[in-house]
Amino acid sequence: TQLLEQSPQFLSIQEGENLTVYCNSSSVFSSLQWYRQEPGEGPVLLVTVVTGGEVKKLKRLTFQFGDARKDSSLHITAAQPGDTGLYLCAGGSKGSARQLTFGSGTQLTVLP
Amino acid sequence: EAQVTQNPRYLITVTGKKLTVTCSQNMNHEYMSWYRQDPGLGLRQIYYSMNVEVTDKGDVPEGYKVSRKEKRNFPLILESPSPNQTSLYFCASSLAGNTEAFFGQGTRLTVV
Repeated sequence: TQLLEQSPQFLSIQEGENLTVYCNSSSVFSSLQWYRQEPGEGPVLLVTVVTGGEVKKLKRLTFQFGDARKDSSLHITAAQPGDTGLYLCAGGSKGSARQLTFGSGTQLTVLP
Repeated sequence: EAQVTQNPRYLITVTGKKLTVTCSQNMNHEYMSWYRQDPGLGLRQIYYSMNVEVTDKGDVPEGYKVSRKEKRNFPLILESPSPNQTSLYFCASSLAGNTEAFFGQGTRLTVV
């Protein structure tokens, strides 16, 4: 069974601060997705990275896929209260019928 | 509007009383799956289906059944619910090949 570990599990910061969330595994993934989930809603896809070393930016969010495709990070610059939510990483494996393996999530709270 | 619809959103039931949570998607996706979400454990896959009449177990299938008689519907059946099945349940659909997963809004189930 492939496992994805996210850290930290909880993060509470002030508005304007920067933060990084990590997603690590001992397994290689063909793709890595990041989702954000708000209370009362299902997760919504933020980004997909597929190439080792790939970096994608989405406004103040920067996503990186590790060179070996075993880990990923999400960096948020100048966090805002609207960034508050549960961030989930999910690894995909080509040829696997089970599609995605999800990490345990990072609950981010940005205080005004 | 492209969406995954789950019903009901909230359900309180008693131990042993059979229940069904419905899931329907309007995107013609081949792949559908059910997850349960518990604090600190992330999303754990219960069952998945690669297409009509094709279903398989995920990580935590005990106590659950599914069926896929039509492409758009993927109901989750609890034949004899127990309190340890109290959880937040999500249905998701996607195209085959580790693409973006679209989630329903969730069903909060409480078994007393």
